[in-house]
Amino acid sequence: EDKVVQSPLSLVVHEGDTVTLNCSYEVTNFRSLLWYKQEKKAPTFLFMLTSSGIEKKSGRLSSILDKKELFSILNITATQTGDSAIYLCAAGSNYKLTFGKGTLLTVNP
Amino acid sequence: DTAVSQTPKYLVTQMGNDKSIKCEQNLGHDTMYWYKQDSKKFLKIMFSYNNKELIINETVPNRFSPKSPDKAHLNLHINSLELGDSAVYFCASSQDTRGEQYFGPGTRLTVT
Repeated sequence: EDKVVQSPLSLVVHEGDTVTLNCSYEVTNFRSLLWYKQEKKAPTFLFMLTSSGIEKKSGRLSSILDKKELFSILNITATQTGDSAIYLCAAGSNYKLTFGKGTLLTVNP
Repeated sequence: DTAVSQTPKYLVTQMGNDKSIKCEQNLGHDTMYWYKQDSKKFLKIMFSYNNKELIINETVPNRFSPKSPDKAHLNLHINSLELGDSAVYFCASSQDTRGEQYFGPGTRLTVT
């Protein structure tokens, strides 16, 4: 059965800290690794990674995929209170995404 | 301008009733999905449709029946609602079966 495991499950930091969120996967016919941010409503798309070792960046967020170790990380630098959310990792395979349980990030002022 | 929209946003109903949730996307995408998010925020795929054809049914009870009248719409009908059906249901779409998925705002279903 396809599986995606995220760690830590929750994290509390202070504004300005840097955080690293982890995602490991075991998925048949793996195609891509996606990161989403979920605040109160729908998950919003952050990144899709398909190649190993190529970092994707958007402002203070960056992510990288290791297809050999079946692993991805999401980095957030200089965190702000607006970064508080659940961060979801998902592995894309045949016609679907398999999600992890998410990391609840709380950024305190 | 909403890319993926769902109606209703909230649905409160009694056990045994039948209800429908509608989803529309204006992104021109070929593939649409239904996900269920439980109280612990775990998101799980229910159905995938590509060009109006069902391509994935992830062991969902027969009481759940999706229908795609055209590529822009994917509706979900639920018969004989049970307490365990209470959850947030998200519709999503992607350009094709490989692309990133964009989610609708969700429908919070409460069965009493």
